[in-house]
Amino acid sequence: DAKTTQPPSMDCAEGRAANLPCNHSTISGNEYVYWYRQIHSQGPQYIIHGLKNNETNEMASLIITEDRKSSTLILPHATLRDTAVYYCIVRSRTTSGTYKYIFGTGTRLKVLA
Amino acid sequence: ETGVTQTPRHLVMGMTNKKSLKCEQHLGHNAMYWYKQSAKKPLELMFVYNFKEQTENNSVPSRFSPECPNSSHLFLHLHTLQPEDSALYLCASSQVITGRAGANVLTFGAGSRLTVL
Repeated sequence: DAKTTQPPSMDCAEGRAANLPCNHSTISGNEYVYWYRQIHSQGPQYIIHGLKNNETNEMASLIITEDRKSSTLILPHATLRDTAVYYCIVRSRTTSGTYKYIFGTGTRLKVLA
Repeated sequence: ETGVTQTPRHLVMGMTNKKSLKCEQHLGHNAMYWYKQSAKKPLELMFVYNFKEQTENNSVPSRFSPECPNSSHLFLHLHTLQPEDSALYLCASSQVITGRAGANVLTFGAGSRLTVL
């Protein structure tokens, strides 16, 4: 399973863009990158995912480097409600073909007023 | 009811008790997952089920026994637990679509917080 590495914590001023990096240097060609966030003791919430092209939705943008060894999640205008732990995951497969998501330690983002 | 529902939300049990956690998804998904989250630790994948068949057991002790009677329901039966098993247990589901690898998104429930005394 491809592992991910993220900084343990980051601060961001409210209203500014939050850029959260992730390294996944052992990713294989057909593995997707997913981002989730977890707000204090709730279930993780899906944010965005991608394979090799940059992606954007109503929550965030995902920038994946050309060699796919790293990616950046961008929250364009962070609010206090974006304070959470953000997880970058490389989705892999079980031996029987089901997808599995292995969570790392994530980045604790604190948005400051 | 929509999404993924977990019951009970909170459970306190003694080490000799037998209890069960229940998860129900109303999304029409065909895969279900159990994760464990201990204090200040990342989520640990425990079990994966696809179309009611267990496809992943991440070396989980036998005192945790999963059951998946159909694609909408998932149980975690608990027996002779230890205090270190106290954690937030999260259930999730996803839809595996053949030929659409990018369409698989994991949806989580709110979790069941377990305390073992």
